Amino acid sequence: DTEVTQTPKHLVMGMTNKKSLKCEQHMGHRAMYWYKQKAKKPPELMFVYSYEKLSINESVPSRFSPECPNSSLLNLHLHALQPEDSALYLCASSPQGRSSTDTQYFGPGTRLTVL
Amino acid sequence: DAKTTQPNSMESNEEEPVHLPCNHSTISGTDYIHWYRQLPSQGPEYVIHGLTSNVNNRMASLAIAEDRKSSTLILHRATLRDAAVYYCILKGGANNLFFGTGTRLTVIP
Repeated sequence: DTEVTQTPKHLVMGMTNKKSLKCEQHMGHRAMYWYKQKAKKPPELMFVYSYEKLSINESVPSRFSPECPNSSLLNLHLHALQPEDSALYLCASSPQGRSSTDTQYFGPGTRLTVL
Repeated sequence: DAKTTQPNSMESNEEEPVHLPCNHSTISGTDYIHWYRQLPSQGPEYVIHGLTSNVNNRMASLAIAEDRKSSTLILHRATLRDAAVYYCILKGGANNLFFGTGTRLTVIP
């Protein structure tokens, strides 16, 4: 299984809602990532988990809260988002992370719309 | 992160070879050159990576200049399915990928 799955595919939420994005991989990868991608822009790194510990937080606002319950799962909890947070949220995983030859496997993303 | 420079867009006729250039004049000695592509409405996918020598795999070839300040991704026979944004990324020992603006490849039937 060389797939990263993300649920839901689409999400519409109000600014007062709390929702979660989920990501799962069963490749035994020990690094997992969240990226944000606005329309016609490249993906931007948000968070990196390495061996289930948060290793990189790219100054992301606290209304985004990542969680790594185990080595196969990665969640992104959303609360009090703004309309400008509407974007495609991509999850990725890689075997180790801290290696020049490490390659990332991306999921199809969750398209988030904040009203 | 060392930066890369790519043309914003390129066109190719179907079934012809495509050469996608990337400049990375500030590359460090331990940076690998990675290429990813993102098809419409999909997440990015890994294409190929290399350090110094040219590399081939089932998807593409990577030609790396002798001074490593530039590289070229070669698609030997473009198909409509190859229409995507191609990202050239330098990766060192850190576990993050920095995506530049990439090259949008259009394949003309």
